[in-house]
Amino acid sequence: EPEVTQTPSHQVTQMGQEVILRCVPISNHLYFYWYRQILGQKVEFLVSFYNNEISEKSEIFDDQFSVERPDGSNFTLKIRSTKLEDSAMYFCASSAEGGGSPLHFGNGTRLTVT
Amino acid sequence: QKEVEQNSGPLSVPEGAIASLNCTYSDRGSQSFFWYRQYSGKSPELIMSIYSNGDKEDGRFTAQLNKASQYVSLLIRDSQPSDSATYLCAVSFSGNTPLVFGKGTRLSVIA
Repeated sequence: EPEVTQTPSHQVTQMGQEVILRCVPISNHLYFYWYRQILGQKVEFLVSFYNNEISEKSEIFDDQFSVERPDGSNFTLKIRSTKLEDSAMYFCASSAEGGGSPLHFGNGTRLTVT
Repeated sequence: QKEVEQNSGPLSVPEGAIASLNCTYSDRGSQSFFWYRQYSGKSPELIMSIYSNGDKEDGRFTAQLNKASQYVSLLIRDSQPSDSATYLCAVSFSGNTPLVFGKGTRLSVIA
């Protein structure tokens, strides 16, 4: 069964550094998402991406964050100047038909900011 | 503010019993509803989707939707210890909006 793959599985960085989290969505999916989950809290929406542009973003997704689809397969989340409170599990997801259709999640990247 | 509410639990049931998980949502116009299972430290895994009022069954799982009451539930029959996980309710509030997740209900199935 096709799956969403994320790398790395765990990233440790120092406060103020930039990190790039990578995702390869399911190949025939058109809608891509980043969610995050702080330990013990709920899964929170960050951003959705369709047709090479951001379709929706949450209040969390401020100027510190950016997304990119640099080629036909990868989908990246960049966090500039990381803060301690950015420590969380970051999940990439994709869906075939956008809102209203199921999301398929990758295994996540655990980001630890020290 | 679009909200999805779940009792955080833990909900403890004996092996072989029926586990009943509940979820309410804030927007009467919501379109699509999903149940995900999340094991500790892992990603959410889709169990079921439901789009219209009534029941939908898939193996040991039954999702129930009541749009008038803004209520969606998940029943797990013949619960197994391997069902012990956090169950997340997710709602799409309108056509193309991203899923909003509840905090999840932690289920513990006791052998």
